[in-house]
Amino acid sequence: GQQVMQIPQYQHVQEGEDFTTYCNSSTTLSNIQWYKQRPGGHPVFLIQLVKSGEVKKQKRLTFQFGEAKKNSSLHITATQTTDVGTYFCAGPTDGGSQGNLIFGKGTKLSVKP
Amino acid sequence: GAGVSQTPSNKVTEKGKYVELRCDPISGHTALYWYRQSLGQGPEFLIYFQGTGAADDSGLPNDRFFAVRPEGSVSTLKIQRTERGDSAVYLCASSADVSSYNEQFFGPGTRLTVL
Repeated sequence: GQQVMQIPQYQHVQEGEDFTTYCNSSTTLSNIQWYKQRPGGHPVFLIQLVKSGEVKKQKRLTFQFGEAKKNSSLHITATQTTDVGTYFCAGPTDGGSQGNLIFGKGTKLSVKP
Repeated sequence: GAGVSQTPSNKVTEKGKYVELRCDPISGHTALYWYRQSLGQGPEFLIYFQGTGAADDSGLPNDRFFAVRPEGSVSTLKIQRTERGDSAVYLCASSADVSSYNEQFFGPGTRLTVL
């Protein structure tokens, strides 16, 4: 069945270092979403990418959607302790347009001050 | 306005018991989703509703799980004959409609522990 994979599973960085997480889908996606879940919290929507090759920025966060619409990445420049949490990518089941999402296992980011 | 709310926040039950988990979505959101999240995993889709009807229940693990949304707002996830493997955080999310192009707003979850 359809799979969404994320690497790495864990990332420990020193505050100020950069961080990148990668997401790969076994199927072509109509769009991809990224969510952040703080420790003990619930997933919070960050962004959605729709177009092939799309790049979006939110302050220190840069999101990319691959040309084949099967992979994506999230890059954080100069991490801060507020960036701590687990970052999930998610895409529509079977790559379609309905909202039942399939999530990756997430990348858990810890930041040492 | 208020976000998605879920009750109870924690539920401890014994194996074999019946439980109900409630979700109150954002007012006006027609789409409602249930996910289950185990430790160290991403949310796993269970079922979603468009209005009152279950549009896709393919994620429900077996017939012990059932969900309703009788008036198109509040939803209840019902689990019969609970098993220890059902222990997880059950997340509810809502969005403006079922299109995957809408962001989903998650509730705080119900942590279910089956002893």
